[in-house]
Amino acid sequence: SQTIHQWPATLVQPVGSPLSLECTVEGTSNPNLYWYRQAAGRGLQLLFYSVGIGQISSEVPQNLSASRPQDRQFILSSKKLLLSDSGFYLCAWSVSGRATGELFFGEGSRLTVL
Amino acid sequence: AQKVTQAQTEISVVEKEDVTLDCVYETRDTTYYLFWYKQPPSGELVFLIRRNSFDEQNEISGRYSWNFQKSTSSFNFTITASQVVDSAVYFCALSEEYMFSGGYNKLIFGAGTRLAVHP
Repeated sequence: SQTIHQWPATLVQPVGSPLSLECTVEGTSNPNLYWYRQAAGRGLQLLFYSVGIGQISSEVPQNLSASRPQDRQFILSSKKLLLSDSGFYLCAWSVSGRATGELFFGEGSRLTVL
Repeated sequence: AQKVTQAQTEISVVEKEDVTLDCVYETRDTTYYLFWYKQPPSGELVFLIRRNSFDEQNEISGRYSWNFQKSTSSFNFTITASQVVDSAVYFCALSEEYMFSGGYNKLIFGAGTRLAVHP
């Protein structure tokens, strides 16, 4: 069966520090991968998606970047965090080639920038 | 542009009550998909249902039922005889069919409805 894991689960970082959130998927090949952010009391906003290794598309201009160094690994990064980067970050995957398939989400990473 | 509106920010009910969560969507596409996800306190989103725009049949799964009405652009979710374990944030989402190579699923989420079921 397929599983998705992301870490760390909780992170408290000072403004201006770097960020690295990691997500891995197991039990499937060539998944589509996504990073979403959920701000407090708000819906989920798509930040990045990837349909293959090295292929990253950004949905909104921001202080964050994403990379996909391996087929089932998706990393969310920042060189210098801003207060506005605080939120709950969710990684997700979907079956490649099925544009109508559901997304499967990880456990989430809660980032607090102080 | 696509948009999903969940007007109910929070709902509080007593166990065994029925509760309906509203979802209204906007899209210009004729082919689209609608989803409901549940986010329990643990944070992980759990997929509940997917509906395509050509299937307006209502669906029932145990205590859960969904009412899809294209005429009003609504996809409402009803929990019958609610239980404390149903307490969560529920998200409605919309996806338009993308024909990219490999396909990807761009879900537009509503703001969510927080449901609290009290014993």
